[in-house]
Amino acid sequence: GAGVSQSPSNKVTEKGKDVELRCDPISGHTALYWYRQSLGQGLEFLIYFQGNSAPDKSGLPSDRFSAERTGGSVSTLTIQRTQQEDSAVYLCASSKRSGNNSPLHFGNGTRLTVT
Amino acid sequence: QQQVKQSPQSLIVQKGGIPIINCAYENTAFDYFPWYQQFPGKGPALLIAIRPDVSEKKEGRFTISFNKSAKQFSLHIMDSQPGDSATYFCAALPSGNTPLVFGKGTRLSVIA
Repeated sequence: GAGVSQSPSNKVTEKGKDVELRCDPISGHTALYWYRQSLGQGLEFLIYFQGNSAPDKSGLPSDRFSAERTGGSVSTLTIQRTQQEDSAVYLCASSKRSGNNSPLHFGNGTRLTVT
Repeated sequence: QQQVKQSPQSLIVQKGGIPIINCAYENTAFDYFPWYQQFPGKGPALLIAIRPDVSEKKEGRFTISFNKSAKQFSLHIMDSQPGDSATYFCAALPSGNTPLVFGKGTRLSVIA
C-alpha cells in the first residue's frame, strides 16, 4: 500500500469495554511499532515487532494491553477493560527492518476516547 | 532510563524568522538523531536526521546542529513559513535493535 494504514481513525468506548486497534504496515516492512501520544506527553513507546515476534514489550503500561502480529503484516493492539487514562492517540509505524538505517513511517493514528 | 529532553514546549515566530528547537540526551550509546514533523490529524513524518560523526546537516531550509561533547542537538528552520506550523519531535536511537526514544515535542506556530 501507499502508507501505513490504521483503523478505526476514531474510537469512542465506555470505561470497562475492550477495544481493538488495527495497523496495516507498508508492504515488505518487517519491523512494526506501536506508540501512544497523549497531550503534552510526546510519543510513548509501547511495543515493537520484528516479523511476528515482539523482542521488546517493555512499554506496555499494564497487563490490560496486548498486541499481536500475524503473517509478518497486520498488527492488532488490544486494550482490555479500558480506563479513562487510556484515552490518547495510538500510532503505528513500520520500517524495512529495525535499526538505524530504516526510518519509521507512521500511520495517522487511532484517536481513542474512553468515556 | 534513556531520555531525550526537548525544549521549548511551544514556540511562536513571525514569518521569515528562524525558530530553534533544542534537544539534549544523556545516553552516549545513541547513534542516530532524527527529527519528525507532525501536522494535526496526521502521523509524524521524518524531516531530517543526523549521525554523531558530523556537526551539521542541511536539507533545504532545515538544519540540524549537533554538539557531541555537550550531548545536545538542535533544529533550525530558516525563513520560516506559516506552512511550517506543526509539532516537531526530536528522537534518538540507541545502538542495537531497540526503538527510537522521542522528545515530548515542540508546537511551532509561524505567524504571517
